[in-house]
Amino acid sequence: EVQLVESGGGLVQPGRSLRLSCAASGFTFDDYAMHWVRQVPGKGLEWVSGISWNSGSMGYAESVRGRFFISRDNAKNSLHLEMDSLRAEDTAFYYCAKGLSRSHFYGSDYWGQGTLVTVSS
Amino acid sequence: QSVLTQPPSVSGAPGQRVTISCTGSSSNIGAGFDVHWYQQLPGSAPRLLVYGNTNRPSGVPDRFSGSESGTSTSLAITGLQAEDEANYYCQSYDSSLSVWVFGGGTQLTVL
Repeated sequence: EVQLVESGGGLVQPGRSLRLSCAASGFTFDDYAMHWVRQVPGKGLEWVSGISWNSGSMGYAESVRGRFFISRDNAKNSLHLEMDSLRAEDTAFYYCAKGLSRSHFYGSDYWGQGTLVTVSS
Repeated sequence: QSVLTQPPSVSGAPGQRVTISCTGSSSNIGAGFDVHWYQQLPGSAPRLLVYGNTNRPSGVPDRFSGSESGTSTSLAITGLQAEDEANYYCQSYDSSLSVWVFGGGTQLTVL
């Protein structure tokens, strides 16, 4: 059974940093791209970032480019999102999602339950 | 404003058929990038319903089906059931923006 468990969310002040992690199990982690998708409560889905199976290719939404950095550790079956210079508009649930293929261009077939990030003073 | 356009809401009676459209442009759907559909029940994470425009993952009832035509695709749900009440999102890749793009979501109400 595929499981994706996010951690690291919480309350953080504007301008500070936060690191999200996603522990993956139940599939061959290094065979698939991984993604972070966020959702403001009551609003729609917004893709944040994606990384290919071997970290050779990454992508970022324009809203986070230059502030957020995605990485993965295939030896530990884990995905990370380093979020710097956080803003109030970054407040959302952050979901870890397993890609359908090795490339981060494609969709996702499994999602974690999400971790809430609240940026507020 | 979302890159992919979906109707904000659709509704239907139990047993009826509804469709949800997803319209893009020449840099995403029109460029041949596949569309995927997700269902999000209240308080839950999204669930993949259709991938690659028309394919259903195992475990998804055949009441859900996807179709494509040019720069738009559609999700059809037949034999509506109360548990289908949820938000539905389409998603693709945009080559000019180099990002995943989502539709704004469609709230399905089962009357």
